[in-house]
Amino acid sequence: QQQVKQSPQSLIVQKGGIPIINCAYENTAFDYFPWYQQFPGKGPALLIAIRPDVSEKKEGRFTISFNKSAKQFSLHIMDSQPGDSATYFCAARTASKLTFGTGTRLQVTL
Amino acid sequence: GAGVSQSPSNKVTEKGKDVELRCDPISGHTALYWYRQSLGQGLEFLIYFQGNSAPDKSGLPSDRFSAERTGGSVSTLTIQRTQQEDSAVYLCASSFLSGGGRTDTQYFGPGTRLTVL
Repeated sequence: QQQVKQSPQSLIVQKGGIPIINCAYENTAFDYFPWYQQFPGKGPALLIAIRPDVSEKKEGRFTISFNKSAKQFSLHIMDSQPGDSATYFCAARTASKLTFGTGTRLQVTL
Repeated sequence: GAGVSQSPSNKVTEKGKDVELRCDPISGHTALYWYRQSLGQGLEFLIYFQGNSAPDKSGLPSDRFSAERTGGSVSTLTIQRTQQEDSAVYLCASSFLSGGGRTDTQYFGPGTRLTVL
């Protein structure tokens, strides 16, 4: 049973564009929502995270928007760069476990 | 150590052979996780350790898969009688557990790429 739905599966934007990746969940017990970034041949690494009592969190060019009533959250990348080309995973936490979305492969072109 | 390490980085084996994958977590991290990532797919949870015990083995796909953790540190994932569908990248992650046993940031190793011929 997939508990975190992520879209789109892949995304191509031009340099300077603002890619948006969306995730939705059903389980109201989730209490922490991190985003991970994965480059080819590497393990995922934490990018940014948000708790459900906050509607937005910004770190550098990365912003999470969180809509608790809709049970949705999204990642926005401002002024995207070719170096942002990677796979992005949303996740949601219950207690000791993270449930991951299926990932979005982002390509930022020149 | 500086981060989570995994060995080997690549493993090619023949169908029917047993393989062992090793994970060295960050020192002091109580929790250790194994995930499987098939080509172009997401992260499939396999098993979680708290200390040396495994409270959640729900993701192990069959009884050919097993894992252990010793000394609250190193973990080994064993796949017996490997099948071609076992080919994937196996990722290990570790974390602290905060209040209420909640996983903190999970730090991932680089993974072991397993190819079953």
